[in-house]
Amino acid sequence: LAKTTQPISMDSYEGQEVNITCSHNNIATNDYITWYQQFPSQGPRFIIQGYKTKVTNEVASLFIPADRKSSTLSLPRVSLSDTAVYYCLVGDHSNYQLIWGAGTKLIIKP
Amino acid sequence: GAGVSQSPRYKVTKRGQDVALRCDPISGHVSLYWYRQALGQGPEFLTYFNYEAQQDKSGLPNDRFSAERPEGSISTLTIQRTEQRDSAMYRCASSPPRHSASGANVLTFGAGSRLTVL
Repeated sequence: LAKTTQPISMDSYEGQEVNITCSHNNIATNDYITWYQQFPSQGPRFIIQGYKTKVTNEVASLFIPADRKSSTLSLPRVSLSDTAVYYCLVGDHSNYQLIWGAGTKLIIKP
Repeated sequence: GAGVSQSPRYKVTKRGQDVALRCDPISGHVSLYWYRQALGQGPEFLTYFNYEAQQDKSGLPNDRFSAERPEGSISTLTIQRTEQRDSAMYRCASSPPRHSASGANVLTFGAGSRLTVL
């Protein structure tokens, strides 16, 4: 299972674009990259998943370079409610035992 | 149901008592996972079910912990002779069937059961 590395914490301000980068040097050919968001007192919630290049949904964008050894979650025009912990995971459909790190604690300031 | 439902939300028990935590996954989700999450940490894998079959229990800390999913839907995580170190948030997640061409498993988590052992 590929291990991921991401910053422990980040600060930003309302209205800014926030980019959180995750390193996964040992990603396997069949692995996808999935990001989750977790608010205090709640379970993690799926945000976005991608394999290569760029994926965009109504919440975020995910940028994946050609070598796939890293990925960047981009949150456009953040608000205070985006304050949460963001987890990056790598695996495929057979990886039920995903490795969860401590995630990135994102704090948005007014 | 509409989401993953866990009960009880909070459980306070005395050391040495047995506890049972229940998880009702999303209808149609064949995969069910149990995790334990300490404050400030990511979820720690405990066990995994595919339908009613417990396919991996390697994350269960010791033999006081067990889980079942007899009919492939509701699951129960049981902790026998609880100890203070068992205090944690226990989270259940479920996911639909995934096939090799359609990406990785996307988990839907419940709100969790907060266990406190006095």
